[in-house]
Amino acid sequence: SQQGEEDPQALSIQEGENATMNCSYKTSINNLQWYRQNSGRGLVHLILIRSNEREKHSGRLRVTLDTSKKSSSLLITASRAADTASYFCATDENGAQKLVFGQGTRLTINP
Amino acid sequence: DTEVTQTPKHLVMGMTNKKSLKCEQHMGHRAMYWYKQKAKKPPELMFVYSYEKLSINESVPSRFSPECPNSSLLNLHLHALQPEDSALYLCASSQGAGGGYNEQFFGPGTRLTVL
Repeated sequence: SQQGEEDPQALSIQEGENATMNCSYKTSINNLQWYRQNSGRGLVHLILIRSNEREKHSGRLRVTLDTSKKSSSLLITASRAADTASYFCATDENGAQKLVFGQGTRLTINP
Repeated sequence: DTEVTQTPKHLVMGMTNKKSLKCEQHMGHRAMYWYKQKAKKPPELMFVYSYEKLSINESVPSRFSPECPNSSLLNLHLHALQPEDSALYLCASSQGAGGGYNEQFFGPGTRLTVL
């Protein structure tokens, strides 16, 4: 089952610009997580936001969560070429003992 | 040590072969996972082990057989696979009993090709 749907599917921006990715989900959740995956490699955890939190920051990353709209956004500020990757949101649908990943956004940062 | 290791990195096997994928972590995590990922798709959960016991099997065909010999090791035994099983197989671990409550640490994956 696919819990998270991400928008856009692909995003291409210039280095130094900000990148915003959105994630929507269908059921109640306890947590929402964002992961990054460089081409063909393992996923790296970026941020976990709990359902009672509205915003969280980590370095150049800002995540928001709106449980009333069942949506989250990931903002990467001052993008760098090294940020080129796929970004996935993941949720524990209905508090289940597993993560379900969204389709992902492929981000390309052009030098 | 915050690393999850997976071996081999690449594996090519025929449909009649038996092979195993291995995963190891030394972070003291008690939940370990196998995911399958096809190209340009998100990871799909296959199995969850919690405290060395299988807690979730996402209706995976029996040609995939997981094993958790101890709290640090996770194996995935492969037998009579089909070409459509070719994918990146990812192992992950997390604190606690598993699930979405904690962040998951992923290994680099094994790229499997079934001929």
